[in-house]
Amino acid sequence: GQQLNQSPQSMFIQEGEDVSMNCTSSSIFNTWLWYKQEPGEGPVLLIALYKAGELTSNGRLTAQFGITRKDSFLNISASIPSDVGIYFCAGQKALGGNEKLTFGTGTRLTIIP
Amino acid sequence: ETGVTQTPRHLVMGMTNKKSLKCEQHLGHNAMYWYKQSAKKPLELMFVYNFKEQTENNSVPSRFSPECPNSSHLFLHLHTLQPEDSALYLCASSQDRGWGEQYFGPGTRLTVT
Repeated sequence: GQQLNQSPQSMFIQEGEDVSMNCTSSSIFNTWLWYKQEPGEGPVLLIALYKAGELTSNGRLTAQFGITRKDSFLNISASIPSDVGIYFCAGQKALGGNEKLTFGTGTRLTIIP
Repeated sequence: ETGVTQTPRHLVMGMTNKKSLKCEQHLGHNAMYWYKQSAKKPLELMFVYNFKEQTENNSVPSRFSPECPNSSHLFLHLHTLQPEDSALYLCASSQDRGWGEQYFGPGTRLTVT
């Protein structure tokens, strides 16, 4: 079935560094969502994007809806220890009806002391 | 309580046991979902309810039986599970089916022995 490819699969960075990750698809999505999941918890919605080219920020996090509608990007500036976790993208092809979310396999972020 | 809550947070059960997972959402949403999260795999949608009516059963074995008595509560009844059913079971809700933004609970970590 449809799958979203997230890159990279894992990242090891030092505190204070900026982080970039992306999510790509072979087909068009009209909604992109970014979630963060910490160990032992459920995913938490970070940012929702609804329009091609849209750039949305949530604190140090910025996400973009790719112009082709086949990709999305998440950036974290000046990383801190609490940014550790797995970041998932999710896409939906249209709003309403029986549309479902398709999830990526996640990018695991580790911060090296 | 706010958001989406799930109980129990951890469950260990034998293959012949019967147990139930409970989910409650305090967001006034109309749609609720059960997902299964296994290591190294994307989130797998199991069931969808919209206004208490089941709108999707994603080819889930009958040993998993959902129940949705009202728009705020969702149960997953478990019976004669297999060790490969061990996973994190996540409940989520959204304003309506196909809305896009889904909000997740903390999950129930299930171990089948």
